[in-house]
Amino acid sequence: EDKVVQSPLSLVVHEGDTVTLNCSYEVTNFRSLLWYKQEKKAPTFLFMLTSSGIEKKSGRLSSILDKKELFSILNITATQTGDSAIYLCAVGGSSNTGKLIFGQGTTLQVKP
Amino acid sequence: SAVISQKPSRDICQRGTSLTIQCQVDSQVTMMFWYRQQPGQSLTLIATANQGSEATYESGFVIDKFPISRPNLTFSTLTVSNMSPEDSSIYLCSAPGGGTDTQYFGPGTRLTVL
Repeated sequence: EDKVVQSPLSLVVHEGDTVTLNCSYEVTNFRSLLWYKQEKKAPTFLFMLTSSGIEKKSGRLSSILDKKELFSILNITATQTGDSAIYLCAVGGSSNTGKLIFGQGTTLQVKP
Repeated sequence: SAVISQKPSRDICQRGTSLTIQCQVDSQVTMMFWYRQQPGQSLTLIATANQGSEATYESGFVIDKFPISRPNLTFSTLTVSNMSPEDSSIYLCSAPGGGTDTQYFGPGTRLTVL
């Protein structure tokens, strides 16, 4: 059965800290791995990764995929209170269905 | 990217009633997806809404409970039927943009069943 596992499930840091969120997966016919940030209801798209070793970067956020070891990390540097959210990892597999399998999410709280 | 709207944004319903949630996408898409997020949980796919054919339901979800319509390439509805408190969740629709796997989400519908 396809599965996506995120760790840690929750994390509390102080402003300015750097955090690393983990996502491992076992998915048939892997197509892509996506990261989302969920603050209230709607997840907002952060990154899509399809190739190993190529870092995606947006401001203080970056992410990389390792297709050999079947995991991805999401890094957030110089964290701010506005980074407090649930971070979701999702994997697209089973070609042409568009389905995404989500991990449990990591709840990040950044304290002032 | 895709811009997706959903309504209602929230509702409080009585046990045994039904609620229909609407989802509108700003561009034509072949597939739209409906997810459920129960309190404290991650997103679970309910079904894929395909234009011109029956929706494809995931294991554990059935058409009688969650009927879906897809009348055109920009619109879909999900009905939560004969509701019970266990149906209290956030319901989200999504659609692809900029590539099949990059899905964008609507703002969600927070449903509370009393």
